[in-house]
Amino acid sequence: DAKTTQPTSMDCAEGRAANLPCNHSTISGNEYVYWYRQIHSQGPQYIIHGLKNNETNEMASLIITEDRKSSTLILPHATLRDTAVYYCIVRGNAGGTSYGKLTFGQGTILTVHP
Amino acid sequence: NAGVTQTPKFRVLKTGQSMTLLCAQDMNHEYMYWYRQDPGMGLRLIHYSVGEGTTAKGEVPDGYNVSRLKKQNFLLGLESAAPSQTSVYFCASTRPLDGQLYEQYFGPGTRLTVT
Repeated sequence: DAKTTQPTSMDCAEGRAANLPCNHSTISGNEYVYWYRQIHSQGPQYIIHGLKNNETNEMASLIITEDRKSSTLILPHATLRDTAVYYCIVRGNAGGTSYGKLTFGQGTILTVHP
Repeated sequence: NAGVTQTPKFRVLKTGQSMTLLCAQDMNHEYMYWYRQDPGMGLRLIHYSVGEGTTAKGEVPDGYNVSRLKKQNFLLGLESAAPSQTSVYFCASTRPLDGQLYEQYFGPGTRLTVT
């Protein structure tokens, strides 16, 4: 699975959009981009995933560049409860050797302040 | 649906003691995983299972054993605990959909301290 690079930490004002970048320059054609977050002391929570098209759900939007070498997770109206560690993970499909394993890096600590 | 539950939530062991961590899921998921998370680090995969009666090693399997006798349960055993196994343990589950594995559902974690 491809490696990812994320900033160590970011700040965001409550009510504003939080844009979290992720670099995955070695991603291969069949690998998906996943985002999870971990609120302090809790289990990780799935946010969104995508292959090459932009995706949106009730939690966030995922923008993947055309060359797929980077992506941005957007929380449109951040709240204090969005303060968490955000993990960008690149992973192959079930038919490969990844067996669904998630490889967690250090992630980005997002702090939303009033 | 309770989702993924873990038992116990907290435990303190002495070096050399043994214990079993229980993970249960009520979503009929085929795949289950055990991860550990050390302070300030991301999660690392210990063992996983792709179905009832099957288990396999992950990245950091040494010192742990697992069993999947029932589809809904995945047990993680420590035969002789060591201080290096002090960590937070997370269980997760998922199922294939159209040949893909998407969202993993995580439990709340078990905080284990080995003195």
